[in-house]
Order: sequence, then C-alpha cells, then structure tokens
Amino acid sequence: DTAVSQTPKYLVTQMGNDKSIKCEQNLGHDTMYWYKQDSKKFLKIMFSYNNKELIINETVPNRFSPKSPDKAHLNLHINSLELGDSAVYFCASSQDAGDEQFFGPGTRLTVL
Amino acid sequence: EDKVVQSPLSLVVHEGDTVTLNCSYEVTNFRSLLWYKQEKKAPTFLFMLTSSGIEKKSGRLSSILDKKELFSILNITATQTGDSAVYLCAVDNYGQNFVFGPGTRLSVLP
Repeated sequence: DTAVSQTPKYLVTQMGNDKSIKCEQNLGHDTMYWYKQDSKKFLKIMFSYNNKELIINETVPNRFSPKSPDKAHLNLHINSLELGDSAVYFCASSQDAGDEQFFGPGTRLTVL
Repeated sequence: EDKVVQSPLSLVVHEGDTVTLNCSYEVTNFRSLLWYKQEKKAPTFLFMLTSSGIEKKSGRLSSILDKKELFSILNITATQTGDSAVYLCAVDNYGQNFVFGPGTRLSVLP
C-alpha cells in the first residue's frame, strides 16, 4: 500500500531529450510537491500544487513543467535535458500546504 | 532570503552516546519547523514544531523549538547504529516557501 509512488525509479537519457516522471499519492492529500536533491544532497523545492493550482514556483528553468491531471497525480515534465539536471527528484504530498510531507522513493535521473 | 542552517554537518559517535543536532533559521513568515530522517532513500517525517518551549518526544528522539532565538534542536539518546542517517530540518514559510537545511550526517559506530 504505497502512499506516494514515483515512476520510473531510474532514468538515464541523453542531453537534449524530453522526459517525464510520474507521481501518484493515495493519501487523499490536497498538496503535492516536487523536490530536486543534488549530488551534495541538498534538497530544494521546485513546485507545489494545491487543489490543482500552482502555489509555489521556485526559480527553476521553464524547461521544467508540472502537470496535475487530478488531485492524486503531479507529473514532472522536463524538456531539452541538460547535464546539470542529473539529480534525484522526489515527489511528496501533504494534507495541506505546510503540513507534514510524505515523500516518494525518488527518481534518479542521469543525463549523459 | 529564507535560510536554514544546520550544525554540525556531520557527526560520528558510538552506540549509546547522546547527540544534539542544531537547526537555526531565518524566514519572513514562520509557520512551522519540521525534522526529517533520510537514510538511503526518501526522507521520513520525525516531528513538526509550531510552538516554542513544547518538547515533542518519540522514543529516544525529542525536539524543541525556540521561536525567539530562531532555532530548534533534535536530541537522540542512547544512539543505535540504525540511527545513522542524514537528519534534515525544514521550515515552512506560511505556504509561500518550504526551505530545507543542508542536513546533518550522523554516523553511529558499533
């Protein structure tokens, strides 16, 4: 009974490609997030969605776009991948903005 | 700019020791401070603190917040090797921002 799931777990791709990472939560939470954790293990928020509305948009390149087809899903699309995009991407959800967050297992993205 | 600082950045202790991890913050509109434990994969939630001076406890772990001095501590007593992890402190800025500190890497040796 996975609470927050992400697919794929690993993604290896070439520079310039477009890729997507999917996230689903079955907790009935209203808010979902995407985080990037770089090689130094620094966790930085990228986006959050509350009831299908974007409420935080950090200074990330517009090559990254979150898409939420419904409250339980928040997918991350990345266009024109660059070497610096290599990182672990975590999806998370919380009942409401600012509440305890439950994290997915992470997706390790490697751009060659 | 909102900022969360943790210290020490890494710590090596022996089983049975007690450790104190520190987190200080600067945010424009503080709502809550959260502690997470990250082992090999995703962070897992430990505590959420919103009020000063009220200790939260879970087994050998406890945490307290000081909103006047803008810091929190996480204590782990009688450490075990399973406590080895990165401990992350995060601050919620009333839904406007959610900032994580760099983490404290704790290694507990047998």
